[in-house]
Amino acid sequence: GQNIDQPTEMTATEGAIVQINCTYQTSGFNGLFWYQQHAGEAPTFLSYNVLDGLEEKGRFSSFLSRSKGYSYLLLKELQMKDSASYLCAVMDSNYQLIWGAGTKLIIKP
Amino acid sequence: GAVVSQHPSRVICKSGTSVKIECRSLDFQATTMFWYRQFPKQSLMLMATSNEGSKATYEQGVEKDKFLINHASLTLSTLTVTSAHPEDSSFYICSVLSGTSHNEQFFGPGTRLTVL
Repeated sequence: GQNIDQPTEMTATEGAIVQINCTYQTSGFNGLFWYQQHAGEAPTFLSYNVLDGLEEKGRFSSFLSRSKGYSYLLLKELQMKDSASYLCAVMDSNYQLIWGAGTKLIIKP
Repeated sequence: GAVVSQHPSRVICKSGTSVKIECRSLDFQATTMFWYRQFPKQSLMLMATSNEGSKATYEQGVEKDKFLINHASLTLSTLTVTSAHPEDSSFYICSVLSGTSHNEQFFGPGTRLTVL
């Protein structure tokens, strides 16, 4: 079956760095996405990786290893507004998104 | 990226009534739109794939007669929750798939449905 695993909850301190991991097993692979979702709102796109390596975009970076079925989202210089759920999703061979359950990130002052 | 709107943003209805939710792609012609449902503290659950000019493709466990989807044009898809019950209360989100490599998905703001 298809499966996306990510931690349920993480806590970090304002100004620090946090890494949110995601492992996946899917039928085919057409890219991995990270989305940020604040409570009561729709997800917003953060990153897309289809090739191995690190993609950096401001304070956020996303890494992918296809051979390991692994990705991480790295958030630097954490701000209170970064408190949200972070969803990992993989696009399978049918171009359908398989969603992880999300990681709730709590930022403490 | 594509701009997607949903209407209404919030709706409260009585049990047994039907509710229609509209999803519009404002600046992009979308042959494919997706409808998701999200219960509190849970991830997105794909309900169906809406295809312009043809029948929607429903995910396993989603009743097609209860959740009617109409994708009549390239910019509009509607989801009608028929005979709504309290257990249908949820956050309904639509999205548009764009990009030549299907690597961009843009979400609408979502519709909060509460069935009393």
